[in-house]
Amino acid sequence: DTEVTQTPKHLVMGMTNKKSLKCEQHMGHRAMYWYKQKAKKPPELMFVYSYEKLSINESVPSRFSPECPNSSLLNLHLHALQPEDSALYLCASSLVPTSGTGELFFGEGSRLTVL
Amino acid sequence: KNQVEQSPQSLIILERKNCTLQCNYTVSPFSNLRWYKQDTGRGPVSLTIMTFSENTKSNGRYTATLDADTKQSSLHITASQLSDSASYICVVTVQTSGTYKYIFGTGTRLKVLA
Repeated sequence: DTEVTQTPKHLVMGMTNKKSLKCEQHMGHRAMYWYKQKAKKPPELMFVYSYEKLSINESVPSRFSPECPNSSLLNLHLHALQPEDSALYLCASSLVPTSGTGELFFGEGSRLTVL
Repeated sequence: KNQVEQSPQSLIILERKNCTLQCNYTVSPFSNLRWYKQDTGRGPVSLTIMTFSENTKSNGRYTATLDADTKQSSLHITASQLSDSASYICVVTVQTSGTYKYIFGTGTRLKVLA
């Protein structure tokens, strides 16, 4: 199984809503990532979890709250978002540096629209 | 500053033609370089990985090269197909402090026309 599964594929929410994006992988990867991607731009790193602990937060606003409940799951909780937060949110996973070459496996993404 | 630059920004070619995409990087310490293909609205998919000692690697109609001295890589697509229309992203991996750091290029948007 070499898949990273993201749900939902599409999400439309108002600025006062609370929603969550979910990501799951069963490749035994202990590093998981959230990226944000705007149209015609490369993915921008938001958060990195290593062994279920937050290791990198790229100064992301607190209206985005990541959570890693176990080694296979990664969530991104969304609250009080702004229209400019509309983007494709990509989850990725990789082996940690001592275990491989660090190939990033991406999910299909969750397309978020904030009204 | 770690940086990855790609050219051209966009490219339009006719079906069955060849094309070459370029990636220049200033990244240290270099671990490896990958080319990803990203269809619109989908997640990127890895095409090839190049480590420091590798010069050329092929994956079907895709051939990647790496010149570690000049810090340049290229992706050559042979006999293009309509399904090759996508963004191609060059990603250089840096390994520091027990974690990987990925430096993304700005991508090349390829359009293949019938």
